[in-house]
Amino acid sequence: GAGVSQSPSNKVTEKGKDVELRCDPISGHTALYWYRQRLGQGLEFLIYFQGNSAPDKSGLPSDRFSAERTGESVSTLTIQRTQQEDSAVYLCASNKRGINTGELFFGEGSRLTVL
Amino acid sequence: SQKIEQNSEALNIQEGKTATLTCNYTNYSPAYLQWYRQDPGRGPVFLLLIRENEKEKRKERLKVTFDTTLKQSLFHITASQPADSATYLCALDGDTGGFKTIFGAGTRLFVKA
Repeated sequence: GAGVSQSPSNKVTEKGKDVELRCDPISGHTALYWYRQRLGQGLEFLIYFQGNSAPDKSGLPSDRFSAERTGESVSTLTIQRTQQEDSAVYLCASNKRGINTGELFFGEGSRLTVL
Repeated sequence: SQKIEQNSEALNIQEGKTATLTCNYTNYSPAYLQWYRQDPGRGPVFLLLIRENEKEKRKERLKVTFDTTLKQSLFHITASQPADSATYLCALDGDTGGFKTIFGAGTRLFVKA
C-alpha cells in the first residue's frame, strides 16, 4: 500500500493475555519506529529498527514487551501478560533513514484496551 | 533527562488570527526539529522540519523558528482557519548517540469561526 498500515486497528483483551500488533511500513523504508500514546498524552518512544536490527530499544517499558522485524519490512510488537496500564494507542512509523530527512510517516495506530 | 515541553493548555483563537505554539527542550542537542499535526483518532502527520543551522522555515501559512541558544521553537499558523483545529506536536531528532525521534505532549489548537 501507499502508507504505513497497522493491524488490528482495535483490540480488546483481558488482563494476562498476550497480544500481537502488526506494522507494514512503506516499501523501501529502512527505519521503523514504535511509539505508545496513552489517552491525552504525547508519544512515548518504544523501539527503533534499522533494517531488521534494533539499535535502540531503550523505550520498551518492561520485559513483557518485545518487537521484531523481518525482511526489512513487517514488524510485530508483542505484549505478554497484558496489564490495564498497557491500554493505549500503539503507533508505528517508518522512513528512509539516512536520506537526509527525518520525516516520519505514521500509521493510524492500534488501539489496545486491556480489561 | 531529555525533556520537551509544550503548552499543555489548549489554545483558543479566532479565525483569521495567527496562532503561535511554543516548544522548549532541555538536555538535548538536536540536529533538527519537526512539527506534526495530529487529529483525534489519527496518526500524526508531518508538517515541517527545520535544521539546527536554520533560523526560520516557511511553508504556505506555516512558519517555524528554531533558536538553539534558547532551546526553543515557535510554530506559527497565519490566517488561521477552523480546519487548522488539531493537536500540534513538536519532535526532536538527531542528538548524538541515537536516532530516535522524541515527541512533546502536544498543544491542542481550537480555531473558532
